[in-house]
Amino acid sequence: TQLLEQSPQFLSIQEGENLTVYCNSSSVFSSLQWYRQEPGEGPVLLVTVVTGGEVKKLKRLTFQFGDARKDSSLHITAAQPGDTGLYLCAGFAGGVNDMRFGAGTRLTVKP
Amino acid sequence: EAGVAQSPRYKIIEKRQSVAFWCNPISGHATLYWYQQILGQGPKLLIQFQNNGVVDDSQLPKDRFSAERLKGVDSTLKIQPAKLEDSAVYLCASSPLNGANYGYTFGSGTRLTVV
Repeated sequence: TQLLEQSPQFLSIQEGENLTVYCNSSSVFSSLQWYRQEPGEGPVLLVTVVTGGEVKKLKRLTFQFGDARKDSSLHITAAQPGDTGLYLCAGFAGGVNDMRFGAGTRLTVKP
Repeated sequence: EAGVAQSPRYKIIEKRQSVAFWCNPISGHATLYWYQQILGQGPKLLIQFQNNGVVDDSQLPKDRFSAERLKGVDSTLKIQPAKLEDSAVYLCASSPLNGANYGYTFGSGTRLTVV
């Protein structure tokens, strides 16, 4: 059983479309991170959210941490082929270095 | 700054053979992690070191997996004997003491295929 459930598992869209992916749990997290992983590479940190209700923007990416710190979302505006990859959320539920990953959302953006 | 270095990038072995992976973390990072990522899944923590001490190895299959971090810097992960289900990407990551705020830096991983 995954501590963090991500949805959808797969997403294929056309360039220019908007999309939202979700990360949900029944556990409360002290902080949550989003990573992007490209084939043959390790995950790369996109953002860390710490405060319930927090919203962070990174160019066309908007990250939100739920008020209860149990869920998070990632919204991409005007997706580009370069956004293609596996998007992983990871939460810290225990100690400061006790991070658990979700299974990820595999995004494909077609030109 | 140099990233997390891992070697080899790829390894193919037969079941029941042994294999070892090496990781050099970012200089100054106190915490080092080994993750296993099976195809289609998110990374699963195998073991976490802080300096040269083990913090968490609860998900490490200790009957066949072992890891060490000598002198609190480089680390090796060994599998002996390997099983078919060990086929996966093995990722090494490092972080400062407070990884929750600063995030983890991952290496490119070692893709292991057990045949």
